[in-house]
Amino acid sequence: SQQGEEDPQALSIQEGENATMNCSYKTSINNLQWYRQNSGRGLVHLILIRSNEREKHSGRLRVTLDTSKKSSSLLITASRAADTASYFCATVEANAGGTSYGKLTFGQGTILTVHP
Amino acid sequence: NAGVMQNPRHLVRRRGQEARLRCSPVKGHSHVYWYRQLPEEGLKFMVYLQKENIIDESGMPKERFSAEFPKEGPSILRIQQVVRGDSAAYFCASSPRVISGYTFGSGTRLTVV
Repeated sequence: SQQGEEDPQALSIQEGENATMNCSYKTSINNLQWYRQNSGRGLVHLILIRSNEREKHSGRLRVTLDTSKKSSSLLITASRAADTASYFCATVEANAGGTSYGKLTFGQGTILTVHP
Repeated sequence: NAGVMQNPRHLVRRRGQEARLRCSPVKGHSHVYWYRQLPEEGLKFMVYLQKENIIDESGMPKERFSAEFPKEGPSILRIQQVVRGDSAAYFCASSPRVISGYTFGSGTRLTVV
């Protein structure tokens, strides 16, 4: 198992439906981030949630973080065909001294397909 | 500002040749990261640099790989004597602060033939 594992590996839905992706991790974190990657392209930063936050919203995105379960979820509401992409969670570990720098540890990603 | 610029987008090298990948971070960003993505996998951290300094290279293979971020000019990831297993997409990311969201480039896809 790796830090930042996404579930499910692939998700196929119809336009207008909601899409929920989950991420689990193993170590203590400073923050957790979600990224989107369109096929053959770079990653686009979607949202960052800090370890002392439980929920965050950005447009149609809602991210939750449960540090006791070491898990996070990304909800995309009212999905569109343009949301079709791979979605990755990535964690920044909290170092023992309480300091961190931004090395990201990525999961394997969830492939989301939204059918028109 | 066009964001993080990586070039070339595609690079083909024969086994044994050298590959040089370039990354120009977002203007004003002093933190640069390199990641490698193998097919069907997530990104793996390679190296973290600040201007003229390597902060963490724990993800870099011990041999043949090197990175720099000079005072002037782009960050360079150099792979000497490439092998087929080096074929991957290499992404550069930059950030303005130590802890923040990152801006990724579009990547360089290296193919070793």
